[in-house]
Amino acid sequence: DTGVSQNPRHKITKRGQNVTFRCDPISEHNRLYWYRQTLGQGPEFLTYFQNEAQLEKSRLLSDRFSAERPKGSFSTLEIQRTEQGDSAMYLCASSTWTRNTDTQYFGPGTRLTVL
Amino acid sequence: QKEVEQNSGPLSVPEGAIASLNCTYSDRGSQSFFWYRQYSGKSPELIMSIYSNGDKEDGRFTAQLNKASQYVSLLIRDSQPSDSATYLCAGSPFGGNQFYFGTGTSLTVIP
Repeated sequence: DTGVSQNPRHKITKRGQNVTFRCDPISEHNRLYWYRQTLGQGPEFLTYFQNEAQLEKSRLLSDRFSAERPKGSFSTLEIQRTEQGDSAMYLCASSTWTRNTDTQYFGPGTRLTVL
Repeated sequence: QKEVEQNSGPLSVPEGAIASLNCTYSDRGSQSFFWYRQYSGKSPELIMSIYSNGDKEDGRFTAQLNKASQYVSLLIRDSQPSDSATYLCAGSPFGGNQFYFGTGTSLTVIP
């Protein structure tokens, strides 16, 4: 257990529905990342927060995806009008900048299945 | 062109042998590199990080970085069946705003 938690662990939804996932990072970590991972692929970067500010967002990310980190602690990732292609594992990672490097610790992930 | 590339394998080694995993990267701005292990159905767990040229050892694991040739490798000595997993290589530019992962190399250690 890395100390990063994600909820729910599994989500099954019908195409067109909205879903929201939550990530609680390690408490002293000010950086938070969201990734998407499909079978046989490495994690694909979605977005990055430093405290409450969203500093990076993947150019490939559809505008159906939005993320927030309102108080610089937990974060939510929302997918609107889900599509079958959104089925994947959604991973959250947190980190802090230490000794000129940034080591990420991953949560257990939320597995999304869109029917 | 992918930022980080790995041979997807599968790579099979007998128990007790050395497993060698390789990774190349295209962005010369990448400063820090990480190796993660991922068991099937689980999230990635950090094995090692490296950001200086040369070798870094931690127990049975040795990471090697060659910035001139833009490659990173991971050696696992005395491989155990419990090392069977997918190994992900990741790179990050200075500042760590984005991390680029390879597709992973599947390793099987045969008892």
